[in-house]
Amino acid sequence: DSGVTQTPKHLITATGQRVTLRCSPRSGDLSVYWYQQSLDQGLQFLIQYYNGEERAKGNILERFSAQQFPDLHSELNLSSLELGDSALYFCASSKGQGLVTEAFFGQGTRLTVV
Amino acid sequence: AQSVAQPEDQVNVAEGNPLTVKCTYSVSGNPYLFWYVQYPNRGLQFLLKYITGDNLVKGSYGFEAEFNKSQTSFHLKKPSALVSDSALYFCAVRENTGFQKLVFGTGTRLLVSP
Repeated sequence: DSGVTQTPKHLITATGQRVTLRCSPRSGDLSVYWYQQSLDQGLQFLIQYYNGEERAKGNILERFSAQQFPDLHSELNLSSLELGDSALYFCASSKGQGLVTEAFFGQGTRLTVV
Repeated sequence: AQSVAQPEDQVNVAEGNPLTVKCTYSVSGNPYLFWYVQYPNRGLQFLLKYITGDNLVKGSYGFEAEFNKSQTSFHLKKPSALVSDSALYFCAVRENTGFQKLVFGTGTRLLVSP
């Protein structure tokens, strides 16, 4: 158990809908990262937050947004869902944002868009 | 931009034989390299990291990795493979500019046969 909690574990929804994925980082971790893992594109970095502030953006679509709350949990919002958004979404956390810190991953949310 | 490459989609090895999963990196400045493993339906688990110092890094589950600066490689190794090592392995590099997000390779599936 990495200490990173993601809910829900599975989500099935229809095209055009909006969903929210939730992540609770490990106790004491200030950085939260979101990744998307799909069969054809591997593990893609979406976005990073540090202590409530957005720090880095990767290949995140405009239909997607995220935030980190004062209690450090984070939510990833996916809207106007398309079939191609079906993937495994991972959250990871680390103590800081420094070079030497490894990130710890949650078990992921499997999103299926039908 | 920093990147890692995993040239093999899949590596097959017999149980008891040594295994190597390859990773090469491209960074400006000092590299900060990581290996993660992903078991089916699980999140990524941290195995080991290279920051500085000895070129041979020891990690979890008997794995080790050899850092080679001249060849810009960071290959994952294990002297004697187990069937339970079968999983997806990811090499990653932490960017040493900006907010130092982790950038992952495309992953290598390791299949250990009995």
